[in-house]
Amino acid sequence: KNQVEQSPQSLIILEGKNCTLQCNYTVSPFSNLRWYKQDTGRGPVSLTIMTFSENTKSNGRYTATLDADTKQSSLHITASQLSDSASYICVVRGDNYGQNFVFGPGTRLSVLP
Amino acid sequence: DAEITQSPRHKITETGRQVTLACHQTWNHNNMFWYRQDLGHGLRLIHYSYGVHDTNKGEVSDGYSVSRSNTEDLPLTLESAASSQTSVYFCASSVGGTDNEQFFGPGTRLTVL
Repeated sequence: KNQVEQSPQSLIILEGKNCTLQCNYTVSPFSNLRWYKQDTGRGPVSLTIMTFSENTKSNGRYTATLDADTKQSSLHITASQLSDSASYICVVRGDNYGQNFVFGPGTRLSVLP
Repeated sequence: DAEITQSPRHKITETGRQVTLACHQTWNHNNMFWYRQDLGHGLRLIHYSYGVHDTNKGEVSDGYSVSRSNTEDLPLTLESAASSQTSVYFCASSVGGTDNEQFFGPGTRLTVL
């Protein structure tokens, strides 16, 4: 069964600190992996997308990594800000046909002053 | 600016009533999607459309229907609302292609009593 798991379920850090969120997936065949940020009460917004051949992709203070062999991805947030408080969702697309997107349950990040 | 909107933002209804949630996008995207988001679950696909008069069932389509009469709108109808359909509903749209970034609306919180 195609699944996407994320850890930790929730995380609390102090402003200015770094953190890393994990995503493990069993989706096969693999097309791409995307990280979304979802603020409370809002829809998800895309941060990065990576295909099979990409290992790292950055978007400002957000850096995503992908290991397609072990089917793992991580999202690293550098110098966290209060505005980073949100849920971060890992989404894996299974193939190039149809709408085979599998969404992870998300990691809830709280950044405290 | 182009955008995607949903209405209403909050809705309370009774079991057995028919409910329609609206979704409107001004990007002229061909693809539109409806998801539901529940605690502990990732977003799950209800229905999607690749263009006018095209509709397809997603993972959790039972009890829901959609119709696409124009490019901009994809209303979601709950034929006979059930308490299990209490959830937050997100509409999304995309241009299409392998990248397939989806742009999400702000969500509708539906409570079925």
